[in-house]
Amino acid sequence: EVQLVESGGGLVQPGGSLRLSCAASGFTFSSCEMNWVRQAPGKGLEWVSYISSSGSTMYYADSVKGRFTVSRDNAKNSLYLQMNSLRAEDTAVYYCARAGRRSLYYFDYWGQGTLVTVSS
Amino acid sequence: DIQMTQSPSSLSASVGDRVTITCRASQGISSWLAWHQQKPEKAPKSLIYAASSLESGVPSRFSGSGSGTDFTLTISSLQPEDFATYYCQQYNSYPPTFGGGTKVEIK
Repeated sequence: EVQLVESGGGLVQPGGSLRLSCAASGFTFSSCEMNWVRQAPGKGLEWVSYISSSGSTMYYADSVKGRFTVSRDNAKNSLYLQMNSLRAEDTAVYYCARAGRRSLYYFDYWGQGTLVTVSS
Repeated sequence: DIQMTQSPSSLSASVGDRVTITCRASQGISSWLAWHQQKPEKAPKSLIYAASSLESGVPSRFSGSGSGTDFTLTISSLQPEDFATYYCQQYNSYPPTFGGGTKVEIK
């Protein structure tokens, strides 16, 4: 069974940093491309970032470019999102999502999410 | 960026009703469209990919159609567990984008 479990969310002040993690199991993580998608409270879904299976290629939404960095450790079956210079508008539940059906941006499995709150 | 517009934004329906949700892309996306279901306080779940292909385990009462710019999600006979918010998503090009969602509520 595919499982994605996020952790690392919490309350952080504006301008602060946070590192999210996503632990993957039930599939060959090193062969799969991965994404982060977020959802502000009461709002819709917004794609944040993509990383290739090897970790050599990354893409970002314009809203986080230059502030967020996606990475992965295939030996640990883990995906990460380093978030710096956080703003109030980054407050959201962050989901890791597996890319499926041979597409970079089709999300076939989602984690349960971790809440990030940016507030003073 | 490709804009995805869903309608309606919400609807009320009864168990057993046929429900149709539409999604329009601001430019052609071929069949690179997915539908995701999200229940309150839960993660999204993928239902349909490539506009009309059901993910494994998804009941056959769900169906999708369309190509180019206009798409529909149909639930042939609404069940109690189908009350949720549905999002369309294009994955034709960077950045992937979602529709605003359609909340299906109990009438």
